[in-house]
Amino acid sequence: QKEVEQNSGPLSVPEGAIASLNCTYSDRGSQSFFWYRQYSGKSPELIMSIYSNGDKEDGRFTAQLNKASQYVSLLIRDSQPSDSATYLCAVNTGGGNKLTFGTGTQLKVEL
Amino acid sequence: DGGITQSPKYLFRKEGQNVTLSCEQNLNHDAMYWYRQDPGQGLRLIYYSQIVNDFQKGDIAEGYSVSREKKESFPLTVTSAQKNPTAFYLCASSMGANTEAFFGQGTRLTVV
Repeated sequence: QKEVEQNSGPLSVPEGAIASLNCTYSDRGSQSFFWYRQYSGKSPELIMSIYSNGDKEDGRFTAQLNKASQYVSLLIRDSQPSDSATYLCAVNTGGGNKLTFGTGTQLKVEL
Repeated sequence: DGGITQSPKYLFRKEGQNVTLSCEQNLNHDAMYWYRQDPGQGLRLIYYSQIVNDFQKGDIAEGYSVSREKKESFPLTVTSAQKNPTAFYLCASSMGANTEAFFGQGTRLTVV
């Protein structure tokens, strides 16, 4: 079982719709969870961090965490073509010292 | 201007040669990380360091070596033992365990 799993996609949504990206993790001791956005050929950019169960909102982005189900998700409201990118889920594992990434989900927002 | 600087941006290496990738940060971060990314793939952890003079192997350390003699610097050497070194290499840093990590712009290594 991979430490962090994501559906590779591509996930296609129309402009203005809600995009929902999901991630599961295996280390029950993990305490911190992150979403990064990566445009083609560029380095990852941090967009959200979440540390406790529930929802965290920042603009059009909402991160959701359920530690009991070992599940973290990212919702993007009012999706724009500029949101088209690969979204990487990252989890601190190994007692918090390692930062492990999923393989990423490619999102395409269509006009 | 705070940040993480990786150099060079592009690097070409002949087979059998060792090459060192530079990573410097002026964010006063304790932790630093090296990742490898292959086309269409996620990030795989090579080495990480939580404090100066200490580092741990990640998931794919074979064929790589690192040092952490200064807080600001975490160079990565790709040795001739690494069979498929062509990849995008990313360096990151964070305040420490369980904190947000930020990335440099990456080094694209090609073996010719």
